[in-house]
Amino acid sequence: GAVVSQHPSWVICKSGTSVKIECRSLDFQATTMFWYRQFPKQSLMLMATSNEGSKATYEQGVEKDKFLINHASLTLSTLTVTSAHPEDSSFYICSALDTRSSYNEQFFGPGTRLTVL
Amino acid sequence: QKEVEQDPGPLSVPEGAIVSLNCTYSNSAFQYFMWYRQYSRKGPELLMYTYSSGNKEDGRFTAQVDKSSKYISLFIRDSQPSDSATYLCAMTPGRGKLQFGAGTQVVVTP
Repeated sequence: GAVVSQHPSWVICKSGTSVKIECRSLDFQATTMFWYRQFPKQSLMLMATSNEGSKATYEQGVEKDKFLINHASLTLSTLTVTSAHPEDSSFYICSALDTRSSYNEQFFGPGTRLTVL
Repeated sequence: QKEVEQDPGPLSVPEGAIVSLNCTYSNSAFQYFMWYRQYSRKGPELLMYTYSSGNKEDGRFTAQVDKSSKYISLFIRDSQPSDSATYLCAMTPGRGKLQFGAGTQVVVTP
């Protein structure tokens, strides 16, 4: 299957700082990527859909000014958590849509664990 | 009511037993059904996908979809300790956005 990477794999930051997380599709081009967050022992919750060259589409209840998404190329999407607070601590996972597969399979990155002190 | 319901477990089975997992859903528009496996602190990996109703087998894994009952299942035969993980069902009406179940934690004991 296709490979999606995320960087960093974990980050600890102070409250009030901003954190950028990168999501890359390594061996295919992805016009669409998705960003999820996952709390311990809970399922993945879709935050936003990132489309190359256009604005992201945010799910209801997700603050677009707090979670900035940029999909500047066909292989890279970034999520910036602005002015992070302890309640933003979570596991953030991205996925990239591979349109080459018969049903547009999503390949997931390994996740980024964010801890805000 | 959630669109996709899945018992979070944990489900504990002895090595070699059959693991039976299932999800129910309410949206009749769902056409594509997936099962993902997620190890702790890792991203999900796709195990099986099925389009519409029917069965699909891949090695020790069998996925079943019953659209009339809005019910999907995953069976793992001859379970191994390495199968210990969280299993998430997911579904979508077409291509793109996935709706996930809560995930079932499975523990296979040696």
